[in-house]
Amino acid sequence: GQQLNQSPQSMFIQEGEDVSMNCTSSSIFNTWLWYKQEPGEGPVLLIALYKAGELTSNGRLTAQFGITRKDSFLNISASIPSDVGIYFCAGTTGTASKLTFGTGTRLQVTL
Amino acid sequence: DTEVTQTPKHLVMGMTNKKSLKCEQHMGHRAMYWYKQKAKKPPELMFVYSYEKLSINESVPSRFSPECPNSSLLNLHLHALQPEDSALYLCASSQVFGGGWNGYTFGSGTRLTVV
Repeated sequence: GQQLNQSPQSMFIQEGEDVSMNCTSSSIFNTWLWYKQEPGEGPVLLIALYKAGELTSNGRLTAQFGITRKDSFLNISASIPSDVGIYFCAGTTGTASKLTFGTGTRLQVTL
Repeated sequence: DTEVTQTPKHLVMGMTNKKSLKCEQHMGHRAMYWYKQKAKKPPELMFVYSYEKLSINESVPSRFSPECPNSSLLNLHLHALQPEDSALYLCASSQVFGGGWNGYTFGSGTRLTVV
């Protein structure tokens, strides 16, 4: 089945730094979703991408749907302490297909 | 209303107990899902309901029994669970199976502990 590899696995950064993480697959995806999950809570959708090459922003977050349709990137600018959490990429390969999750990137922000 | 509501938030049950997890959404979504999540791991799909019919069962043990009474409600009935079933159980919904516009919306989850 499909597998999404996310990197890095974890990041320790200082407040104010920019963050980049990515998600890659050996299969083509037609939807990419980026979620953030905080301890004891469910994943919260940050950005949804539906078209190859698409670049979408949500405040300090920017995500891109890779042109090959096999990868996606999430950037966070000027990180703040409340950015702490686990970031998951997720995707679907077609209509009526299951959502595949990436392995997650754990982000820690220090003051 | 743009939320998926799950109750209870926490549940402790013995291995001989019967309990149920509940999930509700009023976004008009026609697909609903149960996921199981272990610590520091991504959510794992258990069941998919599409238009109130069970579409996918990911080979889940029969001690987990899903039910979709109507398009807004999803239940997960639990019976004779094992300690290794302890996890965060997440409910999600989407416009249609596979996503649709705005992806999947997740609830806050039920933290289940089996003793």
